[in-house]
Amino acid sequence: QSALTQPASVSGSPGQSITISCTGSSSDVGAYNYVSWYQQHPGKAPKLMIYDVSNRPSGVSNRFSGSKSGNTASLTISGLQAEDEADYYCSSYTRSPTYVFGTGTKVTVL
Amino acid sequence: QVHLVQSGAEVKKPGASVKVSCKASGYTFSRYAMQWVRQAPGQGLEWMAWIDAGNGNTRYPQKFQGRVTITWDTPANTAYMELNSLESEDTAVYYCARNLVGTTFFDYWGQGTLVTVSS
Repeated sequence: QSALTQPASVSGSPGQSITISCTGSSSDVGAYNYVSWYQQHPGKAPKLMIYDVSNRPSGVSNRFSGSKSGNTASLTISGLQAEDEADYYCSSYTRSPTYVFGTGTKVTVL
Repeated sequence: QVHLVQSGAEVKKPGASVKVSCKASGYTFSRYAMQWVRQAPGQGLEWMAWIDAGNGNTRYPQKFQGRVTITWDTPANTAYMELNSLESEDTAVYYCARNLVGTTFFDYWGQGTLVTVSS
């Protein structure tokens, strides 16, 4: 099972919106609405930000939103803040059934 | 309050085995599964294994089948991940993470355990 494809880095200025893509196949991202997104600050464990494509856990800012079209899922961060600077990973349940993570995206706040 | 507390860092020689523990508290264990995910230095996340704490069912990706064994000790509320035939490429931080059975996202994570494989 190959890792899902994410851009290596995305950057934006405070207050701007950015979008991170996560591309898989019909065996994973395209198969179900079971894509989740995790934020990871350096030296810390990942934190769940979005589940089932577009749902936010309690306590996660509504500046984070998710969507999916075909084999590509996306995470959008609006009103970018300094604290959003971190690595972001998508994850998908697969037909195997197993899980697969994305390659990861480093978000930089300029 | 949910807590997943992992065992401490390990240093192992190539060819050896390592067993990492993850003690859970603060929730009804039988309703959840425990996942194991690793992260090599400077690299991304990699899913390794899954165990249903309610019935002990396990699942491994093909890459780790035969080399990874995960177990759940019900009286101790602790999950274990054992990795055999260690290679330098297994140097990584190993995380446990829980998910409600029937869902596909990991809502609480352990703090991570660094395993270093070096001769």
